[in-house]
Amino acid sequence: GIQVEQSPPDLILQEGANSTLRCNFSDSVNNLQWFHQNPWGQLINLFYIPSGTKQNGRLSATTVATERYSLLYISSSQTTDSGVYFCAGTYKYIFGTGTRLKVLA
Amino acid sequence: DTEVTQTPKHLVMGMTNKKSLKCEQHMGHRAMYWYKQKAKKPPELMFVYSYEKLSINESVPSRFSPECPNSSLLNLHLHALQPEDSALYLCASSQGQGVEQYFGPGTRLTVT
Repeated sequence: GIQVEQSPPDLILQEGANSTLRCNFSDSVNNLQWFHQNPWGQLINLFYIPSGTKQNGRLSATTVATERYSLLYISSSQTTDSGVYFCAGTYKYIFGTGTRLKVLA
Repeated sequence: DTEVTQTPKHLVMGMTNKKSLKCEQHMGHRAMYWYKQKAKKPPELMFVYSYEKLSINESVPSRFSPECPNSSLLNLHLHALQPEDSALYLCASSQGQGVEQYFGPGTRLTVT
């Protein structure tokens, strides 16, 4: 089956630092989506980005579907950014392995 | 309104109980989903409903029984569960099948 790998698996940052999270998929997943799962389990939509680049405040994402990867950029991180970040191929209903982010004050 | 609601938030049930999880959306979406998430793992798809008809069943045991009474509601009926079924159960909806999904807050289920 399709594999969706995320890196790094764990990340610790000081508040104010920038980071890049990566999502690699073994085959075409179509309709890539990024989520932030907060400590209470809620999955919050960040981006729906089948291809191209989008920005929303301190966050931006780029998907290069032909090369089977997507990147999520977090700038000027805040403690509220802590949680788990998932990419997902919504057409194939498959989630990536996740990146667990902790931002320290 | 871009909200998906789920009730209850928490549920503790014995292995002989029958209970139901409820999910509701008022975004006019025609696809709804149930996912199961174990601790420190990604969500895994259980069922997909499209236009109120079961479209995908990911070989889920029959002790989980989904129901879509109308286009806004999705239920998951639980019967004779096992302790290993303890997990976070997430409902989602989307405009059509396989496009941008919106998730509810989940029901945290504990089977004793």
